[in-house]
Amino acid sequence: AQRVTQPEKLLSVFKGAPVELKCNYSYSGSPELFWYVQYSRQRLQLLLRHISRESIKGFTADLNKGETSFHLKKPFAQEEDSAMYYCALSGRPTGANNLFFGTGTRLTVIP
Amino acid sequence: ETGVTQTPRHLVMGMTNKKSLKCEQHLGHNAMYWYKQSAKKPLELMFVYNFKEQTENNSVPSRFSPECPNSSHLFLHLHTLQPEDSALYLCASSGLAATDTQYFGPGTRLTVL
Repeated sequence: AQRVTQPEKLLSVFKGAPVELKCNYSYSGSPELFWYVQYSRQRLQLLLRHISRESIKGFTADLNKGETSFHLKKPFAQEEDSAMYYCALSGRPTGANNLFFGTGTRLTVIP
Repeated sequence: ETGVTQTPRHLVMGMTNKKSLKCEQHLGHNAMYWYKQSAKKPLELMFVYNFKEQTENNSVPSRFSPECPNSSHLFLHLHTLQPEDSALYLCASSGLAATDTQYFGPGTRLTVL
């Protein structure tokens, strides 16, 4: 069965400090992994996905199949990064992508 | 408003009421989803529609009844709900590939008295 674990419910860092939001997954096949973000009073939206191998707003995430992890990292946190972050996994190779979400981590960047 | 819209944004209902949530997407997507977001629980997938056909029912109680008349519209009909059904109900749409981004609506905040 698919499972996504985000061990930290709350994470606070100072502005300019590095930030890492942890995500571990359990899936028997080849997963598609995503990070979604929800800023205050905004809707849930995609931040990045592992297949794109891109950096969005300074964030990166590397899929580590050995450790079954997909941690989100940013070298220098900004106040505008404060938000709720969700790691998600898609377990379908084709067809509608059924996303399984973690419980989320609330990141607070302290000025 | 473009993208994914949901109405109403807030709904308060009694346990004997019947109400419906509406979702509309203007993105040309062929997959639509209902999620439930409640406190202390992960975002839970409820239903998936692919080309208007339901492809997933994630063990949702029958008091929730989805309807997808076309690829742009999705409804969630509610009847005889329980207070524990109070939550934020999110609609999303996407393309059909597993790597496609899901676009979410703002949600309907439901309170069952």
